[in-house]
Amino acid sequence: DGGITQSPKYLFRKEGQNVTLSCEQNLNHDAMYWYRQDPGQGLRLIYYSQIVNDFQKGDIAEGYSVSREKKESFPLTVTSAQKNPTAFYLCASSIGGTTNEQFFGPGTRLTVL
Amino acid sequence: AQKVTQAQTEISVVEKEDVTLDCVYETRDTTYYLFWYKQPPSGELVFLIRRNSFDEQNEISGRYSWNFQKSTSSFNFTITASQVVDSAVYFCALSEGVTSGTYKYIFGTGTRLKVLA
Repeated sequence: DGGITQSPKYLFRKEGQNVTLSCEQNLNHDAMYWYRQDPGQGLRLIYYSQIVNDFQKGDIAEGYSVSREKKESFPLTVTSAQKNPTAFYLCASSIGGTTNEQFFGPGTRLTVL
Repeated sequence: AQKVTQAQTEISVVEKEDVTLDCVYETRDTTYYLFWYKQPPSGELVFLIRRNSFDEQNEISGRYSWNFQKSTSSFNFTITASQVVDSAVYFCALSEGVTSGTYKYIFGTGTRLKVLA
């Protein structure tokens, strides 16, 4: 089955620790995206990548980092510099550009204790 | 600036009622795309429809229908004869950068629909 996987579903970390969220797709999509979802705020774009080895900051990139070394993988690191990291994180992919719909993963709920 | 407004934060209806979810957008682009997604309690967003700026035909898919009006910058979503399984958060989204090349999507804040049995 083609799709996007995110792991783990739930993640708990202590304050001050970096944590990496996994996102893998087997749809052969060029573009990948990371969003953060907080109650009542919809989806906010963290980082996006249109092609391997290239990525751009979204609207709330501070305190996050990404890499795109492989077409199918786009991991997100939440660093200790992120002041309020507890949130629901969604990864998405699309064929490329913005004329097509995005496919979303199941999300990772990160809780920082 | 590009913007998507979903003014209805939460709507509750009784099963079998019709319900319309509003979406108003702002964009400088002359070519753009609009989308609707459904987020059930499981959390994963599911794509429902895509519409480009040159196609103002209304779309019907089963109990779902969409009304796109460029004159009012609106792309509203109607569910006819709602069912409990329609309970979810619904997001409207706008593509950005079709002409400028920034390639981002702008999401509204979502409307939570509760369908009561």
